[in-house]
Amino acid sequence: DSGVTQTPKHLITATGQRVTLRCSPRSGDLSVYWYQQSLDQGLQFLIQYYNGEERAKGNILERFSAQQFPDLHSELNLSSLELGDSALYFCASSVLSTSNYGYTFGSGTRLTVV
Amino acid sequence: GQNIDQPTEMTATEGAIVQINCTYQTSGFNGLFWYQQHAGEAPTFLSYNVLDGLEEKGRFSSFLSRSKGYSYLLLKELQMKDSASYLCAVSHNNAGNMLTFGGGTRLMVKP
Repeated sequence: DSGVTQTPKHLITATGQRVTLRCSPRSGDLSVYWYQQSLDQGLQFLIQYYNGEERAKGNILERFSAQQFPDLHSELNLSSLELGDSALYFCASSVLSTSNYGYTFGSGTRLTVV
Repeated sequence: GQNIDQPTEMTATEGAIVQINCTYQTSGFNGLFWYQQHAGEAPTFLSYNVLDGLEEKGRFSSFLSRSKGYSYLLLKELQMKDSASYLCAVSHNNAGNMLTFGGGTRLMVKP
């Protein structure tokens, strides 16, 4: 157990729907990062939050949004889902806003859009 | 922008040594990480290099040359369980210091 908790582990939903993925960072970590990994693809950075504030944004679609709550857990909202959104979504956390100490990844949420 | 290249696939024999290369182009370089990822699982941290040279950690070693934009991960005494994807990731000190990952190298270890 890495200490980063992601729920749900699996999610199957239909096109056009909206889902919310949840992440609880490792105790003491203030920074949360979201990544998308499509089949046989690398990890694509979506967005980073640090202590409740958005810190960096990657190639995140407008249909996607995220937030980090006062208790530091984070949610990634995916709306108007398309087949191409099927992927593994990973959350990672780190102590500071910098990645120099490395990330700790959660076990991911596998989203299947049918 | 950032560009990270590593071979897509490699095959090696149990007990042998394999070197996985990674080249990168990035602004504001702030360190290079290697992660191991088994299929469908979370990436796990292997190594971190910020200065030039070799970092050794058991069977795994990682090398960095900042002037050449080059790193490699060396795996010795390969075991079947080392069959996994190996991800090279660069940290850059702009916009949150997030990690940018390469596409990963799928290593297959054969008996």
